[in-house]
Amino acid sequence: DAKTTQPTSMDCAEGRAANLPCNHSTISGNEYVYWYRQIHSQGPQYIIHGLKNNETNEMASLIITEDRKSSTLILPHATLRDTAVYYCIVSPGSSNTGKLIFGQGTTLQVKP
Amino acid sequence: DTAVSQTPKYLVTQMGNDKSIKCEQNLGHDTMYWYKQDSKKFLKIMFSYNNKELIINETVPNRFSPKSPDKAHLNLHINSLELGDSAVYFCASSRPLRQGGKNIQYFGAGTRLSVL
Repeated sequence: DAKTTQPTSMDCAEGRAANLPCNHSTISGNEYVYWYRQIHSQGPQYIIHGLKNNETNEMASLIITEDRKSSTLILPHATLRDTAVYYCIVSPGSSNTGKLIFGQGTTLQVKP
Repeated sequence: DTAVSQTPKYLVTQMGNDKSIKCEQNLGHDTMYWYKQDSKKFLKIMFSYNNKELIINETVPNRFSPKSPDKAHLNLHINSLELGDSAVYFCASSRPLRQGGKNIQYFGAGTRLSVL
């Protein structure tokens, strides 16, 4: 079972920031927060990950609360191509399995 | 060049047939995976191989048999196909976690299997 909770769906206006929340209250000390997304009819795509510090890359920013029980993925200027299902996943930073447990994710609809 | 490629993209077959799906990655990764996405869109891991060694085998019927001829390939063979096997199957790869690779997986485009 997924160890994260996300809203089922969200809307965002094109050009505005999309803030996608995730709750992971049972996260353990060695687990990272990963975000993937799946655009319709494509394979999942890695976006970003973090342990406890905030992270930013060319795709998004990840804000992790100090107690690490929740996080927010920020797409700073959403475009129509960002419409997708976004998955928040917690997983050990190093293990021998690499198992990713996908939940239901958040369906983000970016509207013109 | 496609990093993780799967063939075929679509597969339509009759119940009871045997079929294979091929996966190749050119990223130099040692770890490869198979996931299944059912009609309700839930993605679940099926198998994982690290350097040709099976490391994850979720509760999958033994009609499903992964085969890794080398670390760049992980094929999925399915015997005696059933209606419930209809799904999208995704292959993925990553660097080995024990060597400090974070769990960043690269997915193929998927194979849409329809069993009639």
